[in-house]
Amino acid sequence: AQTVTQSQPEMSVQEAETVTLSCTYDTSESNYYLFWYKQPPSRQMILVIRQEAYKQQNATENRFSVNFQKAAKSFSLKISDSQLGDTAMYFCAFTGPYNFNKFYFGSGTKLNVKP
Amino acid sequence: GAGVSQSPSNKVTEKGKDVELRCDPISGHTALYWYRQSLGQGLEFLIYFQGNSAPDKSGLPSDRFSAERTGGSVSTLTIQRTQQEDSAVYLCASSLDGGLETQYFGPGTRLLVL
Repeated sequence: AQTVTQSQPEMSVQEAETVTLSCTYDTSESNYYLFWYKQPPSRQMILVIRQEAYKQQNATENRFSVNFQKAAKSFSLKISDSQLGDTAMYFCAFTGPYNFNKFYFGSGTKLNVKP
Repeated sequence: GAGVSQSPSNKVTEKGKDVELRCDPISGHTALYWYRQSLGQGLEFLIYFQGNSAPDKSGLPSDRFSAERTGGSVSTLTIQRTQQEDSAVYLCASSLDGGLETQYFGPGTRLLVL
């Protein structure tokens, strides 16, 4: 079974600084997808970024980027120039390779951006 | 256009009662998901609907849980004989065509079983 682990329950960062959220996963497969989702206080989950396991290049979306280390089964999220609106729960998720309709989520990291 | 909506926002019920949670997906989205988020936990997959195909029910925790999707649109998650451990936020998501399409989530229903 696939498992996703987020070992940082809560983190804080000053506005405009950079923060990295950690995620590790366990799978014996080679073809899969990884995601970071953001859940603000409104509870509405929003996709932040995704990474395809067969791509070596790390995904980036504006201020958000990932450090994907396939051999280490690590998928960290870096948020640059943190903004107050980045305050939220962040969930790492995994899907694949045989069933892309079933997603496995980590327990989340609560990020507080301080002014 | 409108996003995914869920009702009610909050539900308090007594142990042993049945509850129904509703999800209205984004119009035109063929795929619909239900997840459960217990306190301090990540999302737990419950069930997946895609078009007219048989749903993937592999995540339902017990036979007290069931879900329907009528007309390929609105979905109802029913929990019979609720237990205190059913207390959680129930999230619904829809996507255009399932698989790796982006899932759009509703705001969830917070269920409290007393």
